[in-house]
Amino acid sequence: AQSVTQLGSHVSVSEGALVLLRCNYSSSVPPYLFWYVQYPNQGLQLLLKYTTGATLVKGINGFEAEFKKSETSFHLTKPSAHMSDAAEYFCAVSGYTNAGKSTFGDGTTLTVKP
Amino acid sequence: DAGVTQSPTHLIKTRGQQVTLRCSPKSGHDTVSWYQQALGQGPQFIFQYYEEEERQRGNFPDRFSGHQFPNYSSELNVNALLLGDSALYLCASSFTGANVLTFGAGSRLTVL
Repeated sequence: AQSVTQLGSHVSVSEGALVLLRCNYSSSVPPYLFWYVQYPNQGLQLLLKYTTGATLVKGINGFEAEFKKSETSFHLTKPSAHMSDAAEYFCAVSGYTNAGKSTFGDGTTLTVKP
Repeated sequence: DAGVTQSPTHLIKTRGQQVTLRCSPKSGHDTVSWYQQALGQGPQFIFQYYEEEERQRGNFPDRFSGHQFPNYSSELNVNALLLGDSALYLCASSFTGANVLTFGAGSRLTVL
């Protein structure tokens, strides 16, 4: 069984400030972990993924995330927020056998203030 | 290169009716997964199709059924619609064994 908890349904930062979106997961098998972004009235776009290997993963648009097995966490960060980063972000986990069957968190809405 | 395309984009139905949603996967992809995203929630896995068969299923009742065609496109059917079926239905495609999903923009279903 797998589950994802995203801490904080809403996060607000100022433009240029650090973005930190928290994700904790539970998985009975080695996990694949993902962060997706969703803009209004659109589907999900993959930001980054962790499968195996390096625990610090870099994604698109300057985002990165670090897989910490001991903490069962996969937090998403970006050093400097941009207005265009305002969106909803979803963390997801899947087993290594089937990424198509992913379990998603409830999402975090990121607001960026000018 | 077209990504995942879904139709219709929006539709309104009444309780008890039936609906069919369609999905064309990204070129080169052979596996299709369907998700339901209720307002304010994350997507929930409905089922996955590969080689024209349902391979995995989430915790959804039998009112939800699907089909995959030889060209890898897929349909999601929902019978006896309930108010609670109102949601954004997302289709995601992938290549067998790959660990990356490509999502479509979704079909927004409203049940009145």
